[in-house]
Amino acid sequence: KAGVTQTPRYLIKTRGQQVTLSCSPISGHRSVSWYQQTPGQGLQFLFEYFSETQRNKGNFPGRFSGRQFSNSRSEMNVSTLELGDSALYLCASSLENQGTGQFFGPGTRLTVL
Amino acid sequence: EDQVTQSPEALRLQEGESSSLNCSYTVSGLRGLFWYRQDPGKGPEFLFTLYSAGEEKEKERLKATLTKKESFLHITAPKPEDSATYLCAVQGNYGQNFVFGPGTRLSVLP
Repeated sequence: KAGVTQTPRYLIKTRGQQVTLSCSPISGHRSVSWYQQTPGQGLQFLFEYFSETQRNKGNFPGRFSGRQFSNSRSEMNVSTLELGDSALYLCASSLENQGTGQFFGPGTRLTVL
Repeated sequence: EDQVTQSPEALRLQEGESSSLNCSYTVSGLRGLFWYRQDPGKGPEFLFTLYSAGEEKEKERLKATLTKKESFLHITAPKPEDSATYLCAVQGNYGQNFVFGPGTRLSVLP
C-alpha cells in the first residue's frame, strides 16, 4: 500500500508570494491533517479535513487555508508569505481520526526569502 | 486545553545501555496516546497507539507503557540506528486534533 505523498518536496519563495502544497493520503484514509514543524515550535496543528469538510482548525492566521477533494487528496495554501513561514509542512492521514494513529508524509520544506 | 510534555529533551546513550523516555499529558478524556519516531528532514513514523492505563505495546527494542498521567517509551539495548527524535501525541475525546509534545532527541553512540 502506498504511503502518504506530498508535493513538492522543496520550495523556495519570496516574501509576499503565495504557495500551494499538495497531499495524497493513504488509499482509504478520509482524514487528512496538516502540521507546521519548526525547530523552535515543534509540530503545530494547522487543520484537519474529513470528507471534504474542515473539521478542526489550529491557531494560525487566515493566510493559511486548505481544502480537500472528493478523492481525499488535500491542498493547503499560504498567502502573503512571511519569513516566519519557513518550515517543514507535514501532511498526515488516518482512517477516521477516531483514535487510530496518523501516518505522515515526507513533508514539504518551504523556505521564504 | 490538552497538553503534552516530554523528558528529557535530549538523551545520549552508549550502544546497549537501556533507558526510558517520558511523556506526560493532560487531556479531557483520552482517546489515544501515540508514539512516533522522526529522523532528520523526514516525516514522523508511527510506532504505537495506547488507549488505556495499563496497556503495553512492544516492537523490537521498544516498549511503550501507559498510565493515567504519563507514558514511557522503554528502549532496551539500543543500537545506533535507534538514534532519532521520539514524539508523543495525544488525542482527547472532546477534540479532533492531535496534540504533540516537543520530542526527545535520542543519540545512541557505538
